[in-house]
Amino acid sequence: AQKVTQAQTEISVVEKEDVTLDCVYETRDTTYYLFWYKQPPSGELVFLIRRNSFDEQNEISGRYSWNFQKSTSSFNFTITASQVVDSAVYFCALIFNNAGNMLTFGGGTRLMVKP
Amino acid sequence: DAGVIQSPRHEVTEMGQEVTLRCKPISGHNSLFWYRQTMMRGLELLIYFNNNVPIDDSGMPEDRFSAKMPNASFSTLKIQPSEPRDSAVYFCASSLEQNGGTEAFFGQGTRLTVV
Repeated sequence: AQKVTQAQTEISVVEKEDVTLDCVYETRDTTYYLFWYKQPPSGELVFLIRRNSFDEQNEISGRYSWNFQKSTSSFNFTITASQVVDSAVYFCALIFNNAGNMLTFGGGTRLMVKP
Repeated sequence: DAGVIQSPRHEVTEMGQEVTLRCKPISGHNSLFWYRQTMMRGLELLIYFNNNVPIDDSGMPEDRFSAKMPNASFSTLKIQPSEPRDSAVYFCASSLEQNGGTEAFFGQGTRLTVV
């Protein structure tokens, strides 16, 4: 089976706390692409990051960082010093090598950051 | 660039009526996707076009749903006849598919309510 699992359906933190959103995937492919998208309360889906399966280097962008580990089939997303504006639903997604450019989404994690 | 443009943003219709959702992808993109988002099923791919040709429509729920892409700058998703269970947010997305696994950019969605 090829799928994406986000076990945390909802997380609540207080502003300035660090928070990690988990993503685990299953695939038989050796070539695949991983993504994170953000869906704020306004409803649009915003692209955050793309990684390919051959690049396990972690990435940092401001308060956001991503940890890709092929050994555990995980692509976790950490927000440092969370802010109220980070409140959103975050989706992890995958493109499998034999799936054209079609995204398979996880179920999403709703993050609530309280002031 | 204006991004992916969807219309209408909101649609309320009566059961049995025909509904047409519209999408203008990002100029230069060669792949277009229609996704549906519901609380029960999350984000699911309905159909994928590449170079205006439907490549995978296995996600289309039933014959009541049809999608067209007459040219590179326009696509429609039609539901005829509509049913209450079709109520959802429908997203259109586009991407530039080159060597695989490129990110898709989403429109703001059409919230469909069938009463």
